[in-house]
Amino acid sequence: GENVEQHPSTLSVQEGDSAVIKCTYSDSASNYFPWYKQELGKRPQLIIDIRSNVGEKKDQRIAVTLNKTAKHFSLHITETQPEDSAVYFCAATTGTGGGNKLTFGTGTQLKVEL
Amino acid sequence: KAGVTQTPRYLIKTRGQQVTLSCSPISGHRSVSWYQQTPGQGLQFLFEYFSETQRNKGNFPGRFSGRQFSNSRSEMNVSTLELGDSALYLCASSLDGTGTDTQYFGPGTRLTVL
Repeated sequence: GENVEQHPSTLSVQEGDSAVIKCTYSDSASNYFPWYKQELGKRPQLIIDIRSNVGEKKDQRIAVTLNKTAKHFSLHITETQPEDSAVYFCAATTGTGGGNKLTFGTGTQLKVEL
Repeated sequence: KAGVTQTPRYLIKTRGQQVTLSCSPISGHRSVSWYQQTPGQGLQFLFEYFSETQRNKGNFPGRFSGRQFSNSRSEMNVSTLELGDSALYLCASSLDGTGTDTQYFGPGTRLTVL
């Protein structure tokens, strides 16, 4: 089955700096890659996603890049703010069986320091 | 539209008991997936239901089961509870569960097994 590795497990940046989180996946058939942000005690919330027919997607301060050949995708957050502090999860799915089955990375605890 | 809701939010059970958790998807969403979140194992896929049929299943023992009703509401059941079943159980709904449509998470049910 699919396996997703995520690095780093913790990331501390100064406010205003950029943060990069990287994930690799094992199944070359994976075609959908969402990123979720989970604040303490709250539900995971989708912040951005990318499909395999696109190499890059941007939404204001957040961008995701996908390299299908190398089977890795990355989350880029620019001009970080204290409210960006949370755990970020990457995920991948092949849509096998015609349905949803997200395989998640182990999460990155991002801390934005003043 | 109202978001995904889950009941109850918190549960305390003892070993050997069984428990039923409920999930109401976003109106119009037909796919409901369940995930288990623990500090040690992260977010793991349990199963997915679409049009009252289980379409995908993760690597969990048969003690974990679920069902979906005609209004797309879903329940999951865990029988013969073990200490290791203590976790946050999250459900997520999506429009048609094609594998690449966005999954929206509920707030979760925090299960503690004593």
